[in-house]
Amino acid sequence: GAVVSQHPSWVICKSGTSVKIECRSLDFQATTMFWYRQFPKQSLMLMATSNEGSKATYEQGVEKDKFLINHASLTLSTLTVTSAHPEDSSFYICSATSGGASGNQWGDEQFFGPGTRLTVL
Amino acid sequence: GIQVEQSPPDLILQEGANSTLRCNFSDSVNNLQWFHQNPWGQLINLFYIPSGTKQNGRLSATTVATERYSLLYISSSQTTDSGVYFCAGGYSTLTFGKGTMLLVSP
Repeated sequence: GAVVSQHPSWVICKSGTSVKIECRSLDFQATTMFWYRQFPKQSLMLMATSNEGSKATYEQGVEKDKFLINHASLTLSTLTVTSAHPEDSSFYICSATSGGASGNQWGDEQFFGPGTRLTVL
Repeated sequence: GIQVEQSPPDLILQEGANSTLRCNFSDSVNNLQWFHQNPWGQLINLFYIPSGTKQNGRLSATTVATERYSLLYISSSQTTDSGVYFCAGGYSTLTFGKGTMLLVSP
């Protein structure tokens, strides 16, 4: 159990285009989903936290108009990188937690998707 | 925000050796997790351990919440244990350490 999927696994796009990344919790309802980015040989940095049906909370320094997050249901969150530029090239990873909802055994544990490698030319 | 310090940053072992990875936190946390990141970037959950001790096969972890640190033990290491190990902790969000790069040679 506790499987999170991401799509696409990799994407190459031209500078100025927008890219949408999907994150799905496959076998549990995710009250909260998180978006991280990871540059080569570095750690994960939290970008934003999203709760189903409400606006995302962005970390300091993350442009909310550039990284649009939608959490439309308890199993799906999307990250749209708008007007992507080469400096946005990175590995984007989502995670999800049920927060102990519905009495499941996972509590606040976060489960991570396999990541999306974005390359902007 | 919370600061997370991981040590050592790099570790090279011979197959069969044991190792201990450490994570220190600048403040108390109610969520603490250990991960192994595989070569494709996938984070594999090892332990959810805000306090106490857990064991899973050759791996075990101990968190001393009152002293704000956690330890990950790897016994009888195998080449497949190679990769980056992260700890992360926090309350509503997770702050990641910089990771320990482990290389197990045959």
